[in-house]
Amino acid sequence: AQSVAQPEDQVNVAEGNPLTVKCTYSVSGNPYLFWYVQYPNRGLQFLLKYITGDNLVKGSYGFEAEFNKSQTSFHLKKPSALVSDSALYFCAVRDADSNYQLIWGAGTKLIIKP
Amino acid sequence: SQTIHQWPATLVQPVGSPLSLECTVEGTSNPNLYWYRQAAGRGLQLLFYSVGIGQISSEVPQNLSASRPQDRQFILSSKKLLLSDSGFYLCAWTRTSGRALRETQYFGPGTRLLVL
Repeated sequence: AQSVAQPEDQVNVAEGNPLTVKCTYSVSGNPYLFWYVQYPNRGLQFLLKYITGDNLVKGSYGFEAEFNKSQTSFHLKKPSALVSDSALYFCAVRDADSNYQLIWGAGTKLIIKP
Repeated sequence: SQTIHQWPATLVQPVGSPLSLECTVEGTSNPNLYWYRQAAGRGLQLLFYSVGIGQISSEVPQNLSASRPQDRQFILSSKKLLLSDSGFYLCAWTRTSGRALRETQYFGPGTRLLVL
C-alpha cells in the first residue's frame, strides 16, 4: 500500500541555520512527490514537486528538496531559515495505484526561533 | 491565471443544522475537484472528489455529501451536522490532462466550521 511518513511532529531551528524537514514514502510504482506549506488558518500552498530528472528540485521561497530513490526519501531543505518560514509542512505522493489521488503525510510543524 | 474561492470563511452552526459550503474555480475548465477536512490543524482527510459535472466519488462514509452542479462549482453539504463535523474544510483542484500523475493540486483558502 502507498504511504508517506513525516517522522518528526515538530522541528525547531534557529534563524539563519539550515533546516531539513524529512519525508519518506512507499509506493509500488514510480513516485510523484510534492511538498506544501500551510500558514495558520490558511489553505495549503504548493512549494515544489519531483516528477523525473534531476534529484534536486528547487521551489518557492528558497526551498529545495532532494529525491533519494534508494532511501525512498524526499526531504525538504533550506540553507538559511527565516522566522517567516514557521508553518506546517506536508509531504505527499501520488502513483498510479492510488487512483491518482495524493497520499498525504501527517505534517511537520516547523518553528524558526529568532 | 487560475483562482479558487471558498465561502464562507468561517461558520458556526448548531448541532443538527444543515450545511452548505461552496467552492468555485476560475480560469480553467473541466478541473478535477476535491474536498478535504483537516482536524486539529494537522492531517488531511480526503472526503470527495469529482472528475466532472454530476460525478462524485466518496472516500469516507459519513453524513456529508457533495455535488457538482456546474463545471467549476463544488458544494459540500450536510442535512444534520454533528459535533464531529467541526474542522477546517479545504477545496482543491487539479488540471485535467493526460499526465494526471504530474498535476499539482491547488488549494482554496478554506472554511473553518465550528459545530456547537
